[in-house]
Amino acid sequence: DQQVKQNSPSLSVQEGRISILNCDYTNSMFDYFLWYKKYPAEGPTFLISISSIKDKNEDGRFTVFLNKSAKHLSLHIVPSQPGDSAVYFCAASEVDYKLTFGKGTLLTVNP
Amino acid sequence: EPEVTQTPSHQVTQMGQEVILRCVPISNHLYFYWYRQILGQKVEFLVSFYNNEISEKSEIFDDQFSVERPDGSNFTLKIRSTKLEDSAMYFCASSARGLANYGYTFGSGTRLTVV
Repeated sequence: DQQVKQNSPSLSVQEGRISILNCDYTNSMFDYFLWYKKYPAEGPTFLISISSIKDKNEDGRFTVFLNKSAKHLSLHIVPSQPGDSAVYFCAASEVDYKLTFGKGTLLTVNP
Repeated sequence: EPEVTQTPSHQVTQMGQEVILRCVPISNHLYFYWYRQILGQKVEFLVSFYNNEISEKSEIFDDQFSVERPDGSNFTLKIRSTKLEDSAMYFCASSARGLANYGYTFGSGTRLTVV
């Protein structure tokens, strides 16, 4: 039962270019969507979120886009930096206490 | 920056043994959570805890699991009789506001290996 899907297990980009990480969901009751970043041997770190009533949220180099009709969201990182290399998790919430995570995408930014 | 601290970082236990995973949430946070990640799989919600009681739990969180806040600072997850399939990374998290959409702060995790 994969309510949140990240279909790309990995992504490799050049430093300075755009990284686009994608996420699809199936549960139309999800009200909030979040992105977390995870380095090895650390816990996930909250990055950015978006409410279902919006279609875009921007925070510095990070922008999240939400397409409700397609049940799709994406995280754009511009410009990508080597320090952005990590696993990125898409997560969703139904306005309750729990998050439903995707399996994650390993982003590698090459110098 | 405030942190969620988890101990131990790695625990090996024999099948059938009880194990207690410990967490110190951020001091002014009121909501506490446990998640786990089996190797190669997604991070899964186990339980949320507020005001000294469970506010929500998943179907994974069966009678073998329990949580406790024994004092003002610690938050523990107990597995009574561990099974091989309990081997996973267990993450504790805390938040100042309860709803998941506000985001939480996660600890670095405890890797539990059941042999």
